[in-house]
Amino acid sequence: EDQVTQSPEALRLQEGESSSLNCSYTVSGLRGLFWYRQDPGKGPEFLFTLYSAGEEKEKERLKATLTKKESFLHITAPKPEDSATYLCAVQGRLTGGSYIPTFGRGTSLIVHP
Amino acid sequence: DSGVTQTPKHLITATGQRVTLRCSPRSGDLSVYWYQQSLDQGLQFLIHYYNGEERAKGNILERFSAQQFPDLHSELNLSSLELGDSALYFCASSVQGAGNTIYFGEGSWLTVV
Repeated sequence: EDQVTQSPEALRLQEGESSSLNCSYTVSGLRGLFWYRQDPGKGPEFLFTLYSAGEEKEKERLKATLTKKESFLHITAPKPEDSATYLCAVQGRLTGGSYIPTFGRGTSLIVHP
Repeated sequence: DSGVTQTPKHLITATGQRVTLRCSPRSGDLSVYWYQQSLDQGLQFLIHYYNGEERAKGNILERFSAQQFPDLHSELNLSSLELGDSALYFCASSVQGAGNTIYFGEGSWLTVV
C-alpha cells in the first residue's frame, strides 16, 4: 500500500523567511509525485509533477525536488499570499486498472507579514 | 480555474436523506475521480471512472454510489446520510495513464444535520 507522510503538520514563517516542507513516501514503482496547494474551502490547485529522483521544478518562489524516498518543497522568501495547505501525493502501481494518487495529510503554512 | 466543474457548491441536508453531487470533467479528460475530505481524514479516494466504466474503488461506503454518463459527466449519490458524512467532496479529472496529473474541482461542501 502506498503511503505518504508530510512534515511538519503546521509551519509558521515570517515574510521573507525561507523554509522547506517534507514529503516522505513509500510506493511500489513510482509513476509520479505531485504537489498541490489548497486554500481553505477550495479545491487543491496543481503545482508540480516529478517523475524521477534528481528531478527539480520551479515556479515563482517554489521549488520541488525529488529523491528515491522523499520530496521537498522549498519556499524562498515567502509572502503572506503563500499561506495555504500544501499537499503531496504519489501515484504508484496499477490498482484495479487505475493509477490512483495517494495523498498525505498536508502541511499548513502561515506566513506572517 | 482547473476546468473541472462541480455542483452544488454547498448543501445542507438532514440525516437519512439522499443527495446527488455532479461533476463535469475538463474538456478531453476521460477519467473522473471522487475524493472525500474531512478534517480528521485528509483526502480519501472513493471511486474512479474511465469513459463510463468503473475502474477502481477506494474507501467508498455501500450507501454511496457513482456513475459516469456518455457525455462524461459524473454523479456521486449519497444516501441514508449520517452526521459523519459531512465533508468536502471533490471531483477530479485527468487523461488516463500512469503519471498523469489529476485536476480538482472546487468541491461540494455537504453538511448533514
